[in-house]
Amino acid sequence: EADIYQTPRYLVIGTGKKITLECSQTMGHDKMYWYQQDPGMELHLIHYSYGVNSTEKGDLSSESTVSRIRTEHFPLTLESARPSHTSQYLCASSTIRDSPTDTQYFGPGTRLTVL
Amino acid sequence: AQSVSQHNHHVILSEAASLELGCNYSYGGTVNLFWYVQYPGQHLQLLLKYFSGDPLVKGIKGFEAEFIKSKFSFNLRKPSVQWSDTAEYFCAVNTKTAGNKLTFGGGTRVLVKP
Repeated sequence: EADIYQTPRYLVIGTGKKITLECSQTMGHDKMYWYQQDPGMELHLIHYSYGVNSTEKGDLSSESTVSRIRTEHFPLTLESARPSHTSQYLCASSTIRDSPTDTQYFGPGTRLTVL
Repeated sequence: AQSVSQHNHHVILSEAASLELGCNYSYGGTVNLFWYVQYPGQHLQLLLKYFSGDPLVKGIKGFEAEFIKSKFSFNLRKPSVQWSDTAEYFCAVNTKTAGNKLTFGGGTRVLVKP
């Protein structure tokens, strides 16, 4: 079944560690996104990609980086985690570039806690 | 840049009550409007969307939303809620000038008491 997956679902880690949040989709979508969401707050776009080897920063500045080497995979990396990175990270994908019918499909999210 | 505001952060109501969630956006041009829902422990999923045509849009599970251009609003409604409608609801907008990137409101957490 076509879907979008995120691992891990929960991560508790110490300050200074390098972490990678995984996101994969089996829908063949070109566009992929990373959002950051603090409890009770808006989703903020932090990264997006229109396809392989394409990555752009979103509206909210983030110390994380992303890569898009394969269509289905869009990992997010924090080189040195800090408590301010504690948040929920949501990955999404969509099918049609620059189209008003572009609907985003979301993964289950990764809840990150940095101690 | 566009922005989205949702008036209520929390709504508590009883089963069979009517629900209306407010959503206003700020952008003077053509917009596409969405309502997403996140049920407890589940993915964020699309409830309904508006691109053009009839401003009254019907979505899944008996929800509908009305686009009122003059008020920059896209309020979500359901005439009679069920306990299973307990969820968080997000309004979102995209515009062609923003490369169709979604801007979300802060969400409204709805609790339906059985």
